[in-house]
Amino acid sequence: ELKVEQNPLFLSMQEGKNYTIYCNYSTTSDRLYWYRQDPGKSLESLFVLLSNGAVKQEGRLMASLDTKARLSTLHITAAVHDLSATYFCAVVYSGGGADGLTFGKGTHLIIQP
Amino acid sequence: NAGVTQTPKFQVLKTGQSMTLQCAQDMNHEYMSWYRQDPGMGLRLIHYSVGAGITDQGEVPNGYNVSRSTTEDFPLRLLSAAPSQTSVYFCASSYIGNEKLFFGSGTQLSVL
Repeated sequence: ELKVEQNPLFLSMQEGKNYTIYCNYSTTSDRLYWYRQDPGKSLESLFVLLSNGAVKQEGRLMASLDTKARLSTLHITAAVHDLSATYFCAVVYSGGGADGLTFGKGTHLIIQP
Repeated sequence: NAGVTQTPKFQVLKTGQSMTLQCAQDMNHEYMSWYRQDPGMGLRLIHYSVGAGITDQGEVPNGYNVSRSTTEDFPLRLLSAAPSQTSVYFCASSYIGNEKLFFGSGTQLSVL
């Protein structure tokens, strides 16, 4: 059974600071997704990481994947209030399809002025 | 471009009532799925479909039925609602072989 653990589950930080959200998973996978969810809203795809060493960046967010360590990170640089949201990672076990996508519990991020 | 459309957005049911949550997508995606989201639990897969006429169970299928008569539509039926089914339900779709899911706006369901 694939298990996906995110930490921290809750993070309050100040604007302008840097921080990293971690996503660990338990079995072999080479595909990992990051989603963002605003309060009361749906999930929006942020990044798709498809290979070991993959790095994707958009604005102040950068995601990376280390398949050997079974770890992905979502790094926030110089945080701004608009990035306040819940961030989910989702992992597919090797050989699986979308039905094998397992989500972490989410990291609730609050960025304060 | 509508994407994935879910109705209703909110619903209150009494225990034992039945209802259908509707989901439609206009992207010609083969794969469609239903998730439920509960506080502190992330998203859990209820049922999914890889094409018209094909459905299968996910992680938490009990108490729910689905059907897929067309590529576009994937309704979720609650046969006899229970308070444990109080949750937010999301429909999602994607192309086969690509797990980047497109989500609907969600249905907040309360069962009293």
